[in-house]
Amino acid sequence: DSGVTQTPKHLITATGQRVTLRCSPRSGDLSVYWYQQSLDQGLQFLIQYYNGEERAKGNILERFSAQQFPDLHSELNLSSLELGDSALYFCASSVYRSAESNTGELFFGEGSRLTVL
Amino acid sequence: SQQGEEDPQALSIQEGENATMNCSYKTSINNLQWYRQNSGRGLVHLILIRSNEREKHSGRLRVTLDTSKKSSSLLITASRAADTASYFCATSRYSTLTFGKGTMLLVSP
Repeated sequence: DSGVTQTPKHLITATGQRVTLRCSPRSGDLSVYWYQQSLDQGLQFLIQYYNGEERAKGNILERFSAQQFPDLHSELNLSSLELGDSALYFCASSVYRSAESNTGELFFGEGSRLTVL
Repeated sequence: SQQGEEDPQALSIQEGENATMNCSYKTSINNLQWYRQNSGRGLVHLILIRSNEREKHSGRLRVTLDTSKKSSSLLITASRAADTASYFCATSRYSTLTFGKGTMLLVSP
């Protein structure tokens, strides 16, 4: 058990819909990362938050957004869903002390499997 | 875009044999990490090697890093059926960690 909790574990929805994925990081971790894993694209970095602020952005679509709340949990919002958005979405957390720190070990949740029909 | 690329894409060996996976990357890095993923599960961190280190050991794992060739290798010695999983290298640059597409390792009893 990594200590990172993601909900829901599975989600089936239709094209055009909007979903919210939730992540609770390990106790004490201030940094949260979101990744998308699909068969064709592999593991793609989406976005990173540190203590409520966006720190880095990867291959995140404009239809997707995220935020980190004062209690450090994070949500990833996916809207206007398309078939190609079907994937496993992972949240990971880390101890991230400053903007100059290198990225150390990430602790991953079990993921949220999204199926868009 | 993917930073690290693992080779081979798939590897099948017998229990007791050693497994070697390679990773190549394109830009300078702060550190390189290896992760393991059992089918459909979350990734688990295995080992981290800093850019100024050349070799690191952890149990049955041995990682090497050659920054001049921009490559790393992961050696799993005396493999077990329970080592069957996908293995990913990840390169750290500033505040992001970029993963390769992984090597699928199958260890047969």
